[in-house]
Amino acid sequence: EDKVVQSPLSLVVHEGDTVTLNCSYEVTNFRSLLWYKQEKKAPTFLFMLTSSGIEKKSGRLSSILDKKELFSILNITATQTGDSAVYLCAVGPSRHSGAGSYQLTFGKGTKLSVIP
Amino acid sequence: DTEVTQTPKHLVMGMTNKKSLKCEQHMGHRAMYWYKQKAKKPPELMFVYSYEKLSINESVPSRFSPECPNSSLLNLHLHALQPEDSALYLCASSPTRVLRNEQFFGPGTRLTVL
Repeated sequence: EDKVVQSPLSLVVHEGDTVTLNCSYEVTNFRSLLWYKQEKKAPTFLFMLTSSGIEKKSGRLSSILDKKELFSILNITATQTGDSAVYLCAVGPSRHSGAGSYQLTFGKGTKLSVIP
Repeated sequence: DTEVTQTPKHLVMGMTNKKSLKCEQHMGHRAMYWYKQKAKKPPELMFVYSYEKLSINESVPSRFSPECPNSSLLNLHLHALQPEDSALYLCASSPTRVLRNEQFFGPGTRLTVL
């Protein structure tokens, strides 16, 4: 059975801190790992990683994938209160669902709280 | 247009009602998805449509009936729901090109079944 494990499950930091969120996975047919940010509504796409060792960066957020050790990290530097959210890691496809669509397996998420 | 839209945003229905959730995207994505998300849990896949054909049904009860009338629209018809079906229902779409399968989510419909 495909599995995605995120750690920690929750984290409280002060504004300005740097945080690292972890995601490890076991899937039969790996194609990509995705990070999403979810506040009160729908998940917002952050990154998609397909190759080991290539850092993806967007502002204060960055992420990297290690396909040998089967994990990814999401870094957030100089955290702000607006970074408070649940960060979801998903791996796809756990199976090819036909004609170019791909099923994602989600982790349980890391709840990040940034306090002023 | 780079977003997925969903209507309604909120829905309250009784167990005998029939209602529909709607999802629309104009990004040219040919894969569309319905997810159910309960509080403090990750999204759970319900259905996948590829090129307007149902390709995955994750053992969802028949009181949920999906429909994909064209490449931009996805509906979820609801009938005789139970209170435990109350959840956030998310629609997503993705490109079907190799290595470009990131899914983009709509804002969701918050469903309450009384």
